[in-house]
Amino acid sequence: SQQGEEDPQALSIQEGENATMNCSYKTSINNLQWYRQNSGRGLVHLILIRSNEREKHSGRLRVTLDTSKKSSSLLITASRAADTASYFCATGLTGGGNKLTFGTGTQLKVEL
Amino acid sequence: NAGVMQNPRHLVRRRGQEARLRCSPMKGHSHVYWYRQLPEEGLKFMVYLQKENIIDESGMPKERFSAEFPKEGPSILRIQQVVRGDSAAYFCASSTPQYGYTFGSGTRLTVV
Repeated sequence: SQQGEEDPQALSIQEGENATMNCSYKTSINNLQWYRQNSGRGLVHLILIRSNEREKHSGRLRVTLDTSKKSSSLLITASRAADTASYFCATGLTGGGNKLTFGTGTQLKVEL
Repeated sequence: NAGVMQNPRHLVRRRGQEARLRCSPMKGHSHVYWYRQLPEEGLKFMVYLQKENIIDESGMPKERFSAEFPKEGPSILRIQQVVRGDSAAYFCASSTPQYGYTFGSGTRLTVV
């Protein structure tokens, strides 16, 4: 099964609302990263949080990491239509070199 | 800095033909990773290479798939005797030894 699994699978919100996506993983990790993918495009790196960090901010993004629960959340505040995309978490495993294991993604739709 | 360059962007092959996908890493990046994304799914790790060495090929199918990263030139992912199930988006990423993942825009392979 997937190392990282996001929920919900799909999320539809109105512009201006906050969007929260969750990611769970199974094994010990070195870091966890969030990526965005617009339909038919490549991945854009959003934010990385290391295993010894609990929270990180970047602009309208806030990521939390709870290693005891093996979970992370991505919060997008004041969402915009341009935030419509798929969001993936990816884990870098302890001892796994730089290889990343991706989750199945959350499809976010922000409506006007 | 042109980023990670992948070509071609789209590739159509008939069943039984060979597909060659190219990836030029970012300047200064010596690590290359190949991932495959099936429709509506997350990325699955295939192979991790450094110059002239395959570091981790645990995600590569046992047959028909090969990858190289020669001393000079781009990294090549080669799929022999393609089948319909090989249709997917193939993404390359490069990084520095510490961290610094940058993805290319991908090659979308369609097998007809």
